[in-house]
Amino acid sequence: AQSVTQLGSHVSVSEGALVLLRCNYSSSVPPYLFWYVQYPNQGLQLLLKYTSAATLVKGINGFEAEFKKSETSFHLTKPSAHMSDAAEYFCAVSPNTGTASKLTFGTGTRLQVTL
Amino acid sequence: DTGVSQNPRHKITKRGQNVTFRCDPISEHNRLYWYRQTLGQGPEFLTYFQNEAQLEKSRLLSDRFSAERPKGSFSTLEIQRTEQGDSAMYLCASSSGQYQETQYFGPGTRLLVL
Repeated sequence: AQSVTQLGSHVSVSEGALVLLRCNYSSSVPPYLFWYVQYPNQGLQLLLKYTSAATLVKGINGFEAEFKKSETSFHLTKPSAHMSDAAEYFCAVSPNTGTASKLTFGTGTRLQVTL
Repeated sequence: DTGVSQNPRHKITKRGQNVTFRCDPISEHNRLYWYRQTLGQGPEFLTYFQNEAQLEKSRLLSDRFSAERPKGSFSTLEIQRTEQGDSAMYLCASSSGQYQETQYFGPGTRLLVL
């Protein structure tokens, strides 16, 4: 079974500092990987996804993530945090079957951005 | 394109009552997914539809839960004889069913069972 592990349930950074949210996956074959963001009392919004093309994936709002097969990781980064980035971030995995199917999510990382 | 919509946004009910939630997917999306999210956790898959066919159900979906998608458009999720453990956010997502598709999520229905 596929799974993802998000290290750190809470991350706090200063505005303008680097954001690094960690995600490691477990899968017998390279899966599809996703990062979603959830603002309070809202649904999930896709930030970016990896689907076996370029290993460095650029997403919305200045976020990017790099797929590293040797480390089974898909960490999310942003060079400079903004107050509006404060939210819950979820890493998710789905089977690499050519069409998407159910997503398996991590437990989430809450990002706090301070002045 | 108005996105995925869910109704109601909030529902408070007493234990033992039945509740029904509705999801309207993005038009022409043939796949529809239901997830459940409890406090402090990531969403967990419940079930999904390809058009009107329910193709997969999680073991999380007990006999008290039933989902339908008549005519392959909107979907309903019904919980019978609600229990306090059913309190959660119920999320719906839809996708086009095409290669390397993306699931688009609705705002969710937050259920509180007293």
